[in-house]
Amino acid sequence: GAGVSQSPSNKVTEKGKDVELRCDPISGHTALYWYRQSLGQGLEFLIYFQGNSAPDKSGLPSDRFSAERTGGSVSTLTIQRTQQEDSAVYLCASSPWGGHGTDTQYFGPGTRLTVL
Amino acid sequence: AQSVTQLDSHVSVSEGTPVLLRCNYSSSYSPSLFWYVQHPNKGLQLLLKYTSAATLVKGINGFEAEFKKSETSFHLTKPSAHMSDAAEYFCVVSYTGGFKTIFGAGTRLFVKA
Repeated sequence: GAGVSQSPSNKVTEKGKDVELRCDPISGHTALYWYRQSLGQGLEFLIYFQGNSAPDKSGLPSDRFSAERTGGSVSTLTIQRTQQEDSAVYLCASSPWGGHGTDTQYFGPGTRLTVL
Repeated sequence: AQSVTQLDSHVSVSEGTPVLLRCNYSSSYSPSLFWYVQHPNKGLQLLLKYTSAATLVKGINGFEAEFKKSETSFHLTKPSAHMSDAAEYFCVVSYTGGFKTIFGAGTRLFVKA
């Protein structure tokens, strides 16, 4: 079956512009995660959605970052007034259950964001 | 607080020799532990995971890892490296009943011919 897909694969924007990154999880997966991977760094957790529960936003680095998940499926990560330090690869993952800690996460290919 | 430490940022081995990638974790709860691999310009893929069953876990491509609670370690090994193993490897910890996963900083594995 289809895996996790993300779009666009690459995004170049100017400082101060807003960007939207999209994630299509595996059909039927309850949980969805967003991570940020900066050059040479590990993955930084951003936000987590599970079913209809309120998302855990504890990893969002600033109020310029927000995310939503419509209909329990597609998710959009929005970065407002982008800064150069926002340049990174943004990874999305989904998992079947999410809340058990033992779930395998299935990752998308990522969106590489470059802020000039 | 949970944390995970990958003890080596880079590991270089010759093809056909053993691989050891080291990972230590700290957790106040029963941990679940994972190893993911990221090949250049590709997404992350699960290699193996430990979820309180057998302490020796076998994964894909000949990799395995042993959970040692007394040492709070979950080192990844492979008896014989292949050129295709060259990639970035991430050790990950989460805990039963939670969801947040903590990624290590990664270990880049180089395999020399």
